[in-house]
Amino acid sequence: EAGVAQSPRYKIIEKRQSVAFWCNPISGHATLYWYQQILGQGPKLLIQFQNNGVVDDSQLPKDRFSAERLKGVDSTLKIQPAKLEDSAVYLCASSPWGEGSQYFGPGTRLTVL
Amino acid sequence: AQSVTQLDSHVSVSEGTPVLLRCNYSSSYSPSLFWYVQHPNKGLQLLLKYTSAATLVKGINGFEAEFKKSETSFHLTKPSAHMSDAAEYFCVVSDSNDYKLSFGAGTTVTVRA
Repeated sequence: EAGVAQSPRYKIIEKRQSVAFWCNPISGHATLYWYQQILGQGPKLLIQFQNNGVVDDSQLPKDRFSAERLKGVDSTLKIQPAKLEDSAVYLCASSPWGEGSQYFGPGTRLTVL
Repeated sequence: AQSVTQLDSHVSVSEGTPVLLRCNYSSSYSPSLFWYVQHPNKGLQLLLKYTSAATLVKGINGFEAEFKKSETSFHLTKPSAHMSDAAEYFCVVSDSNDYKLSFGAGTTVTVRA
């Protein structure tokens, strides 16, 4: 079974530029999560999707961050414009409906200069 | 609200000696508890999970954890450390009602030859 796929693995941008990350969850997993992991900290949930609907985006900085999962499968997370403090690893995870365990992708390491 | 506290930010052990990573949790509901491991530049991998069945949970790679409700603890142990166990370990709590994960700050494990 293929795991959660993310791309790109690394991205370096200047502040005020835009960036987008892509995630393809494990086949059949209804729930998809985006996390931000700042160096030295545990991951923090940004947004949770159930199929193509948003369940929780209370921690998403909506003035600059957006995410979508239009067909209920893969998802994109966008930052526009980026700030220095957005430098982090962005993790995507998925889980089957009604299951607590989440399966994580390798992450995208973003550096904002 | 749910949260976890990992009592050690860094643990250093010799190869072949036991490993103990300490975790206390706080949860308003019957929690699910997890340990995840993160190797450098890799995604998070589930080691084990507790979901109100047996209080002693066995995971992958020889790890196990014991749920102690009276102490609100979920410590992770391994009888004999291997060099490949060097990584970051996260204790995680989830409310069984919404499956949202709350991560601890992480414990870095170093294994000395």
